[in-house]
Amino acid sequence: QKEVEQDPGPLSVPEGAIVSLNCTYSNSAFQYFMWYRQYSRKGPELLMYTYSSGNKEDGRFTAQVDKSSKYISLFIRDSQPSDSATYLCAMSPILTGGGNKLTFGTGTQLKVEL
Amino acid sequence: DGGITQSPKYLFRKEGQNVTLSCEQNLNHDAMYWYRQDPGQGLRLIYYSQIVNDFQKGDIAEGYSVSREKKESFPLTVTSAQKNPTAFYLCASSIGGAVDSPLHFGNGTRLTVT
Repeated sequence: QKEVEQDPGPLSVPEGAIVSLNCTYSNSAFQYFMWYRQYSRKGPELLMYTYSSGNKEDGRFTAQVDKSSKYISLFIRDSQPSDSATYLCAMSPILTGGGNKLTFGTGTQLKVEL
Repeated sequence: DGGITQSPKYLFRKEGQNVTLSCEQNLNHDAMYWYRQDPGQGLRLIYYSQIVNDFQKGDIAEGYSVSREKKESFPLTVTSAQKNPTAFYLCASSIGGAVDSPLHFGNGTRLTVT
């Protein structure tokens, strides 16, 4: 079983919809949680970054962490065609034995249609 | 504009040949990383470096080598010992090597070995 599980999709939604992307994890030591967006043939770019539990909002994006359920979510409001990309979750414990070593999910492919 | 430059974008090699992937950053970041991305798998860490002239193996270092002679440069050599070298390779950097320093990625090099 992988440490981080993420539904690969593809997930197809109409423009303007609210999108919910999720990851589950098994390592209770994870404390830092990130969401990256990756366009086709490009590198990932950091969208959201949270520490421990709770919510964080940035414009149309909201990240939620539920450590008791080992479950994190990214919500996208008023989705746009430009949001069409692969969304990667990533996480890390506080102590990694050196370096910022993240554990990534496999990514969920999202398509927002006109 | 500051960023990470990976070159070339596409690389083709014959089996048995070593190949070096370039990664340069002008963000003045101390830490640099190499990840490999394969379909259906999360990003996997190959090597990382927290400081010039020092680097550590990641989860899948076998068949790869790196050097860090300058702060801004972290080339990756894929040797003939790497059994499945065809993949999308991503270089990243962070301000420091601690877990609370988010990673910034380049746009990758797609290596095809036949």
